[in-house]
Amino acid sequence: GENVEQHPSTLSVQEGDSAVIKCTYSDSASNYFPWYKQELGKGPQLIIDIRSNVGEKKDQRIAVTLNKTAKHFSLHITETQPEDSAVYFCAASRISGYSTLTFGKGTMLLVSP
Amino acid sequence: EPEVTQTPSHQVTQMGQEVILRCVPISNHLYFYWYRQILGQKVEFLVSFYNNEISEKSEIFDDQFSVERPDGSNFTLKIRSTKLEDSAMYFCASSFQDSTTEAFFGQGTRLTVV
Repeated sequence: GENVEQHPSTLSVQEGDSAVIKCTYSDSASNYFPWYKQELGKGPQLIIDIRSNVGEKKDQRIAVTLNKTAKHFSLHITETQPEDSAVYFCAASRISGYSTLTFGKGTMLLVSP
Repeated sequence: EPEVTQTPSHQVTQMGQEVILRCVPISNHLYFYWYRQILGQKVEFLVSFYNNEISEKSEIFDDQFSVERPDGSNFTLKIRSTKLEDSAMYFCASSFQDSTTEAFFGQGTRLTVV
């Protein structure tokens, strides 16, 4: 089955800096890669996703890149703000049938004012 | 904005007891899921449900677990005889299509088995 590795486990940045979180996956058939943000006491919330037919996707301050050959994808957050502080999870899935999400272990992002 | 709601937010139960975790998915969604997250660990898939039957389940989802959609709105997870290691946060999720469209997660039920 699919295995998703995520690094780093914690990331501390100053407000205004950029943050990068990286994930690798093992199943070459995976072709859908969402990123979830989980705030304390809440469920994961989708912030951005990418499918394997594109290499990069951007939405305001967040962007995701995908390298299918190397089987890794990354989340980039620019101009970080304290409210970006949360746990971020990457996940992978196949676009077929009832395929389910395999999550990484999560990255705790701390943005200091 | 539509949301997935879960009840209760926290459940404490004695080992060996049965628990039922309840979820109300988003009304026009067709796919339903349960995931769990042991404290400090990754979110793990338990089961997916579509068209009134289980479509996929993980190794975690053994005979002690069952799911049901008893009516048009609720989706439940039952654990027949809880074990200490069942203590975790349980998340219900739903999506309009399969998991490759946005899956909306509930806020979770924290299950503590004592």
